[in-house]
Amino acid sequence: DIVMTQSPDSLAVSLGERVTVNCKSSQRVLDSSNNKNRLAWFQQKPGQPPKLLIYWASTRESGVPDRFSGSGSGTDFTLTISSLQAEDVAVYYCQQYYSTPYTFGQGTKLEIK
Amino acid sequence: QVQLQESGPGLVRPSETLSLTCTVSGGSISTYYWSWIRQPPGRGLEWIGYIFYTGSTNYNPSLESRVTISLDTSKNQISLKLSSVTAADTAVYYCTKRGYMDVWGKGTTVTVSS
Repeated sequence: DIVMTQSPDSLAVSLGERVTVNCKSSQRVLDSSNNKNRLAWFQQKPGQPPKLLIYWASTRESGVPDRFSGSGSGTDFTLTISSLQAEDVAVYYCQQYYSTPYTFGQGTKLEIK
Repeated sequence: QVQLQESGPGLVRPSETLSLTCTVSGGSISTYYWSWIRQPPGRGLEWIGYIFYTGSTNYNPSLESRVTISLDTSKNQISLKLSSVTAADTAVYYCTKRGYMDVWGKGTTVTVSS
């Protein structure tokens, strides 16, 4: 199984500040057919299902604010929120869909400082 | 746009079989991969397995001996059966679409208890 490890487990950031969440996969998740990484990011608010933010490591899902961006290569990936808004308080998960069993990171809880 | 709705019993007795249905609206299940995901209370996300529209399946090895996922194309539904449940199977169960899970149902809570 590919193990996904996120860091940090939690963080508190001031409104308007930049947020960085890291995700490390235990092996590469590069799809050689299109040279894209099979890595997605989700946002989950309390009592709600996860919401897709980013797929193919850096493609923003339709309707997701452009303050959210994804980057990375190899086994290291990053979700960045350029300017934290109050509505961004949530738990964030990375997920690989390169090989089964599909696996998720343990989650990163984001709060307002 | 595609919407998903999970349904099924909220309470299942230990050792019995959990049966859930995911109804797809706004599109056909005759395309894409359809996965089941679960989330125990206060914990992270676990992929249970998927079914392709052709009917081929792939299950998490940790659950494979107890899981069956199937399609009913006439009803546009995906079903999940998990046998011999224990308290550890208590969770919110979600159905999702595609490998990168672009659409999720609201989830259904299943409690395993006598």
